[in-house]
Amino acid sequence: DIQMTQSPSSLSASVGDRVTITCRASQGISSYLAWFQQKPGKAPKSLIYGTSRLQTGVPTRFSGSGSGTDFTLTISSLQPEDVATYYCQQYNSFPLTFGGGTKVEIK
Amino acid sequence: EVQLVESGGGLAQPGKSLRLSCVASGFTYDDFAMHWVRQVPGKGLEWVSGISWHSKDIAYADSVKGRFTISRDNPNNSLYLQMNNLRPEDTALYFCSKGGGWLPLFYFHFFGQGVQVTVSS
Repeated sequence: DIQMTQSPSSLSASVGDRVTITCRASQGISSYLAWFQQKPGKAPKSLIYGTSRLQTGVPTRFSGSGSGTDFTLTISSLQPEDVATYYCQQYNSFPLTFGGGTKVEIK
Repeated sequence: EVQLVESGGGLAQPGKSLRLSCVASGFTYDDFAMHWVRQVPGKGLEWVSGISWHSKDIAYADSVKGRFTISRDNPNNSLYLQMNNLRPEDTALYFCSKGGGWLPLFYFHFFGQGVQVTVSS
């Protein structure tokens, strides 16, 4: 199974800050990496697929990059509505696996 | 607007069975793979099972293989998860999810609000 490791597990930043979350795969997954946002008490929401492709309607302050084993999700200017837990997910092979999540809070 | 509405959850004793259902609307259901993903409250996401648009490609997490069965009814825009021989560690919120393409080896495009399954004596 491919293990997905996210860091940090939590972070606190100010409104307007640039925030970066990393996701590392235990083996190469090409560009088969997605990111999800989950707000408290809500279902996950798809943000990015194919490492860097934004889902329709997702604000352009969100971006993704990387390839192989190392990936990043960047929020260019953190907004109050971005408070959530973020998960990466690989779809290179079964079983489909998620990272452990990164909780983002406002300082 | 894509909608996925899950039902069928509840309390079950260890060793018993439950059947989850998910009704989809707002998209061409038989063009997409579908999945079940679960989450223990306060914990991370775990993929459970996925099924292709034509039901010919099916995959399961090792933790449920041999106990859970995924199926779909395309004319009725429905997805199912038959859960047998339930264990306390199956206790979670179960999300129905629309895949991003025809086959299950893909990302999750949309999630329903989830249905709670609790396994306890």
